[in-house]
Amino acid sequence: DIQMTQSPASLSASLGETVTIECLASEDIYSNLAWYQQKPGKSPQLLIYYANSLNDGVPSRFSGSGSGTQYSLKINSLQSEDVSIYFCQQNYDSPYTFGAGTKLELK
Amino acid sequence: QVQLKETGPDLVQLTQTLSITCTVSGFSLTTYNVHWVRQPPGKGLEWMGAMWNGGGTDYNSAFKSRLSISRDTSKSQVFLKMNSLQTDDTAKYFCARRGYGGYYFDYWGQGVMVTVSS
Repeated sequence: DIQMTQSPASLSASLGETVTIECLASEDIYSNLAWYQQKPGKSPQLLIYYANSLNDGVPSRFSGSGSGTQYSLKINSLQSEDVSIYFCQQNYDSPYTFGAGTKLELK
Repeated sequence: QVQLKETGPDLVQLTQTLSITCTVSGFSLTTYNVHWVRQPPGKGLEWMGAMWNGGGTDYNSAFKSRLSISRDTSKSQVFLKMNSLQTDDTAKYFCARRGYGGYYFDYWGQGVMVTVSS
């Protein structure tokens, strides 16, 4: 199975700040990487697919990058509504494993 | 408008069988794949398995032979069945649609929280 190591596990940042979350795959996943945002009590929502494609309706302050085994999600100009848990997921090979999640809070 | 909705029991007894139905609308099960993902309280997401648009299935080996996924295309429903439930199967169970030709889950159901009771 492909292991997804996500860091940091938690993150505290101020409004307007830029934050970066990273995901490391245990093998090359050829950019088949998605990022999801999950708010308390809700289902995950797709933010980014194919490592750097923004899903419809997602604010442009979210961006994804990376290739091979290393990927990152960047949030520019942090807003209060961005407080959530973020997960990466590899969709290259079954089982389609997720990172453990990053809890983003406001400082 | 694309929607997925899970229905199932709130409580299942230890060692019994869990059955959850995912009813979809706004798309065809013969065009899109539907996956199952679960999330124990306060924990991360675990991919369980998939129903392919062609009718085949794929399972996470972590569930060995406990898990079965099937569908009824006439009713736009996908079924999850898992036996020999243990307390660590307590989780919220989601169904999700895989994007057409894509490698991501673009729509998710609201999930159903299932508690395994001893």
